[in-house]
Amino acid sequence: GIQVEQSPPDLILQEGANSTLRCNFSDSVNNLQWFHQNPWGQLINLFYIPSGTKQNGRLSATTVATERYSLLYISSSQTTDSGVYFCAVGTGGGADGLTFGKGTHLIIQP
Amino acid sequence: DAGVIQSPRHEVTEMGQEVTLRCKPISGHNSLFWYRQTMMRGLELLIYFNNNVPIDDSGMPEDRFSAKMPNASFSTLKIQPSEPRDSAVYFCASNRQGGGYTFGSGTRLTVV
Repeated sequence: GIQVEQSPPDLILQEGANSTLRCNFSDSVNNLQWFHQNPWGQLINLFYIPSGTKQNGRLSATTVATERYSLLYISSSQTTDSGVYFCAVGTGGGADGLTFGKGTHLIIQP
Repeated sequence: DAGVIQSPRHEVTEMGQEVTLRCKPISGHNSLFWYRQTMMRGLELLIYFNNNVPIDDSGMPEDRFSAKMPNASFSTLKIQPSEPRDSAVYFCASNRQGGGYTFGSGTRLTVV
């Protein structure tokens, strides 16, 4: 099956810093989503981004499908950004199950 | 919109007992997914439904696991008999085709 690799696995930053999280995948996809799992375990959808660039407040994401990677940018980090960020991919255009990466564990220190 | 609703939030059961997890997807969403999360294996897709029809159950670990979706507003995941290695957080998610997933809050299952 398709492989999803996320980097870095762990990241510790001070409040106010910027960060870039990367997701590489091993095959062509037409479904890619980013999620944030907060310290209470809730999974929140950040972006549905099979290609192109999207922005939502301090977060933005870019997927370059032809080169099989996606990037999640977090600017001006806040302590509430702490948690695990997952990239997940699929090949069914939104009507299929997703394969998740192992995640990037982000800690924002005050 | 109340989001995806899962019940119970926590379940502790003895080995060998039957466990039933429940999920109510968002109204209008036509796909429903069951995932399991463990420290060792991360988030794994168990099964998903499109328009109430099971499409891919290749992730269901054993015959002890079964899932149903009798209508557009309800799905169950059943484990019978349960074993300690089934302990995990089970998530349900739904989406409208071409859209992002919305996850429920999960059911934390502990089998002792």
